[in-house]
Amino acid sequence: EAQVTQNPRYLITVTGKKLTVTCSQNMNHEYMSWYRQDPGLGLRQIYYSMNVEVTDKGDVPEGYKVSRKEKRNFPLILESPSPNQTSLYFCASSLLAGGPGEDTQYFGPGTRLTVL
Amino acid sequence: SQQGEEDPQALSIQEGENATMNCSYKTSINNLQWYRQNSGRGLVHLILIRSNEREKHSGRLRVTLDTSKKSSSLLITASRAADTASYFCARAAGNNRKLIWGLGTSLAVNP
Repeated sequence: EAQVTQNPRYLITVTGKKLTVTCSQNMNHEYMSWYRQDPGLGLRQIYYSMNVEVTDKGDVPEGYKVSRKEKRNFPLILESPSPNQTSLYFCASSLLAGGPGEDTQYFGPGTRLTVL
Repeated sequence: SQQGEEDPQALSIQEGENATMNCSYKTSINNLQWYRQNSGRGLVHLILIRSNEREKHSGRLRVTLDTSKKSSSLLITASRAADTASYFCARAAGNNRKLIWGLGTSLAVNP
């Protein structure tokens, strides 16, 4: 089944403890992206990647890192999480490297992160 | 803000009625997309309409785009309880590499 998977789906952690949220897609998509969703603020893009080894900042990249070593995987890394990073996180992918402006985005199921 | 704005913020209708949601934006677009989200779950793509298109249909969904008014609307005809969800518009920014999202319309379809 064509899909975007994220793990974990739920995570409660403490301030400063490094964590990684994995994202994987099996559709051979070029473009991948991370969003966070917060009440009253909507979806905001954190980072995106147009191809392997190509990543760029979105609107709210502070406090996050990403890497794209393989086409199918795009992990989100929080080196030192803080409570203001408590949010619902979504990974998404699109077929074309040009980005979601040209093509449908497929979303993962979301990761609900709580940082205490 | 670069965000699009949907209205209404919330809409409650009875099954069988039509639901109309609107989206406005401030700068020019390459395309505009509508997505649905069920109760904090993942988003599902509904329709993409390009700036040179005026109307698109998909099943019970109809999207219109008026670039002169910088607005779009999503019409769901003959609504069902399963249509209960939040609906978001998102527009491609100038370089197409990201989407800018509205805050969504929360639709409740009552049986």
